[in-house]
Amino acid sequence: AQSVTQPDIHITVSEGASLELRCNYSYGATPYLFWYVQSPGQGLQLLLKYFSGDTLVQGIKGFEAEFKRSQSSFNLRKPSVHWSDAAEYFCAVGAYTGGFKTIFGAGTRLFVKA
Amino acid sequence: DVKVTQSSRYLVKRTGEKVFLECVQDMDHENMFWYRQDPGLGLRLIYFSYDVKMKEKGDIPEGYSVSREKKERFSLILESASTNQTSMYLCASSTGTNSKVAQYFGPGTRLLVL
Repeated sequence: AQSVTQPDIHITVSEGASLELRCNYSYGATPYLFWYVQSPGQGLQLLLKYFSGDTLVQGIKGFEAEFKRSQSSFNLRKPSVHWSDAAEYFCAVGAYTGGFKTIFGAGTRLFVKA
Repeated sequence: DVKVTQSSRYLVKRTGEKVFLECVQDMDHENMFWYRQDPGLGLRLIYFSYDVKMKEKGDIPEGYSVSREKKERFSLILESASTNQTSMYLCASSTGTNSKVAQYFGPGTRLLVL
């Protein structure tokens, strides 16, 4: 069955430090992968997406993600975290399961300390 | 920019009440979705619609129904609210007929059922 796993429920990093959020997916066909961010009290906003081609994709707000087919992973990275990056991050896979749907991971909450 | 609006940010209802959550999008998107978001569970799909007057059950449709009389509006109905329906409800829309499309989210409605 299609699924998305985000192993870390929450992560704390210092402002200015680098960040990596992990995501693993299970999907039989070519995956269409997304990262969304949810700021407190807000809906989800698309950070970046991967369909094909270059496995390193750039997104908004200085984020990037790397697709590794051999590891079924699509980890999100940022070289230097800002306090405004504190939010919840969702990895997702676009799938066809009786209709075109998006399957979301449980989310990783990022805390940024000064 | 795509705008998805939800009729209420916060809602308090009593057990047994009929509850309507309204969602409107202004970008002529064909696809609309209702999710509920609970801590540790991520987003779970309740219902979705690919066209006016069309609806499909998602992963957790029990206790909910939907209505889509106009392309821009997708309503979620709780026929008889129960305390286990206390949650954050997110509406989303997208265009296209494949799994590549990203979704645009509203700000969410936080529903408390007493």
